[in-house]
Amino acid sequence: EIVLTQSPATLSLSPGERATLSCRASHTVTTYLAWYQQRPGLAPRLLIYDASNRATGIPARFSGSGSGTDFTLTISSLEPEDFAVYYCLQRSNWPLTFGGGTKVEIK
Amino acid sequence: EVQLVESGGGLVKPGGSLRLSCAASGFTFSSYEFNWVRQAPGKGLEWISYIRRSGSTIYYADSVKGRFTSSRDNAKNSLYLQMHSLRAEDTAVYYCAREPVPTAMAYYGMDVWGQGTTVTVSS
Repeated sequence: EIVLTQSPATLSLSPGERATLSCRASHTVTTYLAWYQQRPGLAPRLLIYDASNRATGIPARFSGSGSGTDFTLTISSLEPEDFAVYYCLQRSNWPLTFGGGTKVEIK
Repeated sequence: EVQLVESGGGLVKPGGSLRLSCAASGFTFSSYEFNWVRQAPGKGLEWISYIRRSGSTIYYADSVKGRFTSSRDNAKNSLYLQMHSLRAEDTAVYYCAREPVPTAMAYYGMDVWGQGTTVTVSS
C-alpha cells in the first residue's frame, strides 16, 4: 500500500498569504495524484488532477506541482473561502490512498 | 445538472446490513467509473471501493473486503454498496464519487461527488 504523508498537519495563515502544502508518497505514483478541498459539512471538491492540472472552475490561485514521490499544492493568495482541509489522493496503485489531510486555518 | 445523490444510510446494529444507493443524473452514467469513499466522524477520507464502467472489475479496501459488495446498474444510472457484518468502525459518512476513465498518460481525479449519506453502527 502506498502511504501518502501530508505536511504540515495544520497551517495557520492570514488572508492574502501564500499557502504551501506538501504530499509525499512512500513509492512513486508518477503523476497519478489529485488534490481535494473539503469545507466543514460538505463533500470533497476536486482541485487538481494529474498532479498539476486545475479542475474545471478552480481559480488560478490554486496550483499543483510534482511527480514521483513529492507533490505540492500552492494557494498563491488565501481567500476567506480557502480555509478548509486539503487532501491528496494517489491512483497509481490499489488500494487507492488518501493523505491524512492538511487543515488551513485562519491565524 | 450533473449530480450524484446517495441514499440508504441510517442507524444499524453491529452485525447488521445496509444497502446504499447512489443515483446519477445529468451525464452518461455508463461512461464513468465510480468509487465509494467514507469519512468517519472527525477523521480523514478513506477510499473503500471502485467499480469499472461495465461492473466487471471491482476493488475493495482491506477494511471492507468480504463484507461490502459494490455493484452498478447502467440501465438505472445507479450505483450500490451492499454492506454486511457492520461494525462500529464502519460508522461514517459514505460518498459516491465519479471518476473519468484514466489513460496511460493522465489521471483525471474523482470529479463529481454526492452529498454523502450517514451510516451509524451502534447497539
